[in-house]
Amino acid sequence: DIQMTQSPSSLSASVGDRVTITCRASQSISNYLNWYQQKPGKAPKLLIYAASSLQSGVPSRFSGSGSGTDFTLTISSLQAEDFATYYCQESYSIPPVTFGPGTKVDIK
Amino acid sequence: QVQLQQSGPGLVKPSQTLSLTCAISGDSVSSLSATWNWVRQSPSRGLEWLGRTYYRSNWYNDYAVSVKSRITINADTSKNHFSLQLNSVTPEDAAVYYCARDQYTSSWYMDVWGKGTTVTVSS
Repeated sequence: DIQMTQSPSSLSASVGDRVTITCRASQSISNYLNWYQQKPGKAPKLLIYAASSLQSGVPSRFSGSGSGTDFTLTISSLQAEDFATYYCQESYSIPPVTFGPGTKVDIK
Repeated sequence: QVQLQQSGPGLVKPSQTLSLTCAISGDSVSSLSATWNWVRQSPSRGLEWLGRTYYRSNWYNDYAVSVKSRITINADTSKNHFSLQLNSVTPEDAAVYYCARDQYTSSWYMDVWGKGTTVTVSS
């Protein structure tokens, strides 16, 4: 099975900061990589699919890039509502569905 | 607008069966471009995919190796819902359980999720 790692595991940032989260796959997954945002007590919410496609309704300050094994989620200007945990998920070798361990973004 | 409504008990006794249902509105459980999934989340395991059911002329299921001997996911077309049964539960099965639609356009992605059911395993 493909293993997913994320870095950092947590970060502290201020409103207006540019934030970058990295996800790495244990083998090449082309661009079959999704990003989710999860707030406490809520279900994950799809932000980015196919590495760089913005899900409908998601603010344009979110962007994704990468292919192969290395991927990045960028928030261009962090807003108060963006403090959450972010997960990557590979969709290359389903089943199984594999999620990364998450990156928690909190307030500095 | 597709929505998933979860139902089922939040408390299960050890060794008994966990049963949850996910009712679909705005889509069909028989959709040829979707699969219907159960995912759980706990502090120790993070987001853990459990399995899925889907229709492609026939019904198919896939299950995670970690629960394969104990899990059943079924679809009910008359009620447009799908269900999870997890047998012989232990305290390690305590988690928030989510149902989710995995949709295919140019790739697969889980775009619709239920609100989650917190399951406690305790006598």
